[in-house]
Amino acid sequence: GENVEQHPSTLSVQEGDSAVIKCTYSDSASNYFPWYKQELGKRPQLIIDIRSNVGEKKDQRIAVTLNKTAKHFSLHITETQPEDSAVYFCAASPTLHPSGGYQKVTFGTGTKLQVIP
Amino acid sequence: DAGVIQSPRHEVTEMGQEVTLRCKPISGHDYLFWYRQTMMRGLELLIYFNNNVPIDDSGMPEDRFSAKMPNASFSTLKIQPSEPRDSAVYFCASSLGTLAKNIQYFGAGTRLSVL
Repeated sequence: GENVEQHPSTLSVQEGDSAVIKCTYSDSASNYFPWYKQELGKRPQLIIDIRSNVGEKKDQRIAVTLNKTAKHFSLHITETQPEDSAVYFCAASPTLHPSGGYQKVTFGTGTKLQVIP
Repeated sequence: DAGVIQSPRHEVTEMGQEVTLRCKPISGHDYLFWYRQTMMRGLELLIYFNNNVPIDDSGMPEDRFSAKMPNASFSTLKIQPSEPRDSAVYFCASSLGTLAKNIQYFGAGTRLSVL
């Protein structure tokens, strides 16, 4: 099955600096890579995702990059703000199996990001 | 839509007692997932359903755990008997599997404490 590794486990940055979180995956069939943000005491929520036919995707201050050859993908947050402080999870999944079956999403272990004002 | 609804939000029980967690998925979603989150093990998938049928329960830790989905709008996760090591936050999530993406929408979670 799929194995997703995520680094670092904790990350502290000064407000305004950039933060980068990296993930690797093992299953070459994975082609969908979402990122979830979980604020303290809250539920995980999708913040951005990328498909395997795209190398990079941006949404305001956040961007994701994907290197399918190397099987790794990253989350970049620029101009960090205190409200970016949270745990971030990467995940990998094959989308719908050709036979119609669903392939489950495998989550990384999470990165606790602290933005210091 | 109100999103995925879980109950109770907090549960405190004593070792050996039965615990039942409840989940109402987003209307129209055909996949439902149960996760357990702990500091040590992160976010673990326990079981998921498609159209009310359990598809993969390989993440269920042991026979003390069971899950049901009697209809499209309700699922339960039961622990009997509960043990202190079951203390965790349990999340339910749902998704629409016919989309090209597997976006999962999580409930607010149930924080379980087994004393």
